[in-house]
Amino acid sequence: EDKVVQSPLSLVVHEGDTVTLNCSYEVTNFRSLLWYKQEKKAPTFLFMLTSSGIEKKSGRLSSILDKKELFSILNITATQTGDSAIYLCAVTSTDSWGKLQFGAGTQVVVTP
Amino acid sequence: DVKVTQSSRYLVKRTGEKVFLECVQDMDHENMFWYRQDPGLGLRLIYFSYDVKMKEKGDIPEGYSVSREKKERFSLILESASTNQTSMYLCASRDSGSSYEQYFGPGTRLTVT
Repeated sequence: EDKVVQSPLSLVVHEGDTVTLNCSYEVTNFRSLLWYKQEKKAPTFLFMLTSSGIEKKSGRLSSILDKKELFSILNITATQTGDSAIYLCAVTSTDSWGKLQFGAGTQVVVTP
Repeated sequence: DVKVTQSSRYLVKRTGEKVFLECVQDMDHENMFWYRQDPGLGLRLIYFSYDVKMKEKGDIPEGYSVSREKKERFSLILESASTNQTSMYLCASRDSGSSYEQYFGPGTRLTVT
C-alpha cells in the first residue's frame, strides 16, 4: 500500500529561524513529489520534484528529492510569521490519472 | 489564473439529509478531484473524474457519490449525511498534461449535526 509520511507533525519556531520539513514515501511506480502550502484556505502549489538531487528554489523556500532513499525535504530559511501554515507533501505515480497521495501535513507556527 | 470555486464555505446539515457540494473550474481542465481533510489525516481522495461523465473511486468513497455532467462542474453528493462526514471538503482540478499540479478550491467546511 502506498504511503506518505511527514515529520514532524507540528513545530513552533521564532522568526528568523530555519525550518526543515521531511517527507518520506513508499509508492509503486513513483512519478513526482509535490509540496503545497495551506493557510486558512486552499492549498497553494510550491514545488514539483521529479529528479533526484536537483534543488528547486523559490525565495526563502527550497526543496530536494532523494529517489534512492525515498524522501524529500522542504527548507524555509529566515522564517517570517507569514510562513505559518500547514505544509503538505504529496506523491503521484505513473499509472494514477494524476491522483495525489497526501501525507498528514506539518503544521508550522512562526512566532514573532 | 486558474480559478476553482466551491458553492459554500460553511454548511450545516442534519443527519440523514442529502447534501450537494458543487465545484466549478474555469480552466477547461479534464481532471477533477474531491478530497476531505481531517486533522492528523491529511487530504484523502473521495472520488475523481478524468473526463465528463467519467468517475473513479478514490480511497474513501463510501457514503459519497459524484456527478460530472459538464466539464467545468464536479458535484459531490452525500446521499444520507452522517456525523462522521463532518469535515473540510476540498475540490481540485488538473490539466491532463504532464504537470501533476492540482489547483484547489477554498474548501467547504461541512458540519453534520
